[in-house]
Parts: sequence; structure tokens; C-alpha cells
Amino acid sequence: DAGVTQSPTHLIKTRGQQVTLRCSPKSGHDTVSWYQQALGQGPQFIFQYYEEEERQRGNFPDRFSGHQFPNYSSELNVNALLLGDSALYLCASSFGGPGEETQYFGPGTRLLVL
Amino acid sequence: GQQVMQIPQYQHVQEGEDFTTYCNSSTTLSNIQWYKQRPGGHPVFLIQLVKSGEVKKQKRLTFQFGEAKKNSSLHITATQTTDVGTYFCVGGFQKLVFGTGTRLLVSP
Repeated sequence: DAGVTQSPTHLIKTRGQQVTLRCSPKSGHDTVSWYQQALGQGPQFIFQYYEEEERQRGNFPDRFSGHQFPNYSSELNVNALLLGDSALYLCASSFGGPGEETQYFGPGTRLLVL
Repeated sequence: GQQVMQIPQYQHVQEGEDFTTYCNSSTTLSNIQWYKQRPGGHPVFLIQLVKSGEVKKQKRLTFQFGEAKKNSSLHITATQTTDVGTYFCVGGFQKLVFGTGTRLLVSP
């Protein structure tokens, strides 16, 4: 049983570019959440997808958008990259209602914006 | 918005000493979860507490949920070098809110 997988593992972009990160949830999970973790900080909630729709959103600008596919996998898109977007991006999958569920995290995508 | 604070921010102990991290929420929680993140790794689920005053144990780890469901603690007895990492409490509201984390360093 595969856990949560993310791709790519590392990525280098320049300011102003756009990036797409991918996540496949743990088998049996229908909900995907995305987090941004800056160096030395705790994960910050970006948004959560359930039934192919954004169910919850944190305090992130519209440059951050996402998508969930019928097979429950998800993408995180970030437009007009800023230096401050450099971080570890974590995907977590779960099954259950918002705020109640146990989250299983993937290994993350480390994004560096130059 | 909801905030979840943890103290201390950092603690360095000798192997065999005990360790405690405290978690406080600005509002009442529906549940609290604890995660551990090893250096260079991703958060790994440890436990979930739901009931007011609940206490759960996992070997050397003891987790408590406050009576008012606004605070929690994690106590590790006789730390080992394998306990090194950052411990996050995560408050359950309408969404999960990560605490600020406590980084634990254990010296042999």
C-alpha cells in the first residue's frame, strides 16, 4: 500500500515563473491538503481539496491555486513566483471531515526561487 | 484567526532526561493532534485526543488534553537520541492549524 507521493522532490525556479507540484494520496483517502513550510517554521495550511473542489483555504494569495482529479490526486500551482515562495511544500491526504481527520504527509517538494 | 502556540521553542536535553512541550490554543478545539518531524523529514502523525481531560500513553510518551479543550501537553520520559525532532501540536477547528513547534535535541 503506497503512502502519499509527491513530485518532483526538488525544483529550482526564477522569480516570475510558474510552478506545478503534484501529489498522489494514500490509497483509500479522498481528501488532499497542501501546506507550505518555510525553513525553521511550522507548516502553514494553503488549502484542502475534497470531491474535486476547494473545501478550505488558508491565508494565501490567489497566486496559489489547485486542482483535484477524479482519482483524488492533486496539483498545486503557484504563479508569478516570489523569492519568499521558497519552501518545502507538503501534501497530506486524509479521509473524513475537515478539522477532524488524521493527516498522512508526503515527503514534500523543496522549491527554491532564485 | 485561530492560533496555536507551543513552548518551549527549543529544548536541549541529555539522554535519559525527561522532556515536556506545552500547546495553547486561542480558541476551543474539537480535537488535538500531535505530529513529529525529524530533521529533513515530513510530519508523522503520533496521536489524536478528542475528549476533555483525555490522557493517552504511547510507551515513553504521555499526551494530555486540557479540561477546557484549549491546551495540551506531550511528555517524554527518559529521552533517547531517537526522540530528536520537532514536535507539533495541531489544533482541530474547521481546519487543522499547526502549532509553532518545539524542537528537541537529545545529546548522548
